[in-house]
Amino acid sequence: GAVVSQHPSRVICKSGTSVKIECRSLDFQATTMFWYRQFPKQSLMLMATSNEGSKATYEQGVEKDKFLINHASLTLSTLTVTSAHPEDSSFYICSAPTGGGYTFGSGTRLTVV
Amino acid sequence: AQSVTQPDIHITVSEGASLELRCNYSYGATPYLFWYVQSPGQGLQLLLKYFSGDTLVQGIKGFEAEFKRSQSSFNLRKPSVHWSDAAEYFCAVGARNQGGKLIFGQGTELSVKP
Repeated sequence: GAVVSQHPSRVICKSGTSVKIECRSLDFQATTMFWYRQFPKQSLMLMATSNEGSKATYEQGVEKDKFLINHASLTLSTLTVTSAHPEDSSFYICSAPTGGGYTFGSGTRLTVV
Repeated sequence: AQSVTQPDIHITVSEGASLELRCNYSYGATPYLFWYVQSPGQGLQLLLKYFSGDTLVQGIKGFEAEFKRSQSSFNLRKPSVHWSDAAEYFCAVGARNQGGKLIFGQGTELSVKP
């Protein structure tokens, strides 16, 4: 079946630095990628939708300059958390539409210290 | 407003007992409905989905769910729970005309006691 490979699975960074999270679609082309954030013991909240070759669409309240999304190819979408702060610590998950449903990456646990 | 409600934050069942996880939704368009399972620190695995047709949907790992339009519900069931079923379960709703976005419920944490 379709697989979305997400890296890194876990990252710790210092406050003020930037972190890039990659999601690659294996064996299929992902024209769209959804990026979610999940705080501990909470549900997944959609942050933004990326479309290959065009600008991402951000949900209300999500800072586009802080969460940079790039979808330069049909198999790769990236989320860069810029100038990270401790409140950005969270679990980030990407998802691509596949076969009438969605395939999720395995998630990235970001800890900002 | 579009929303998904999972009334039970945490449920504990004995191994071998039956399970029902509740999900209610509020959605303007004809919904697509999903149940996902998440183990700690992991991504989401699709258990089952409903788009149209038979309202009783069979999924993986022995799970099933029934879509009841009149009750705006999509409850997940399993006749006999295994210890490996302990995880977080999410109900989600989406629609084709919503750009593929999914709205997730708050999740239900399932614990299984021996």
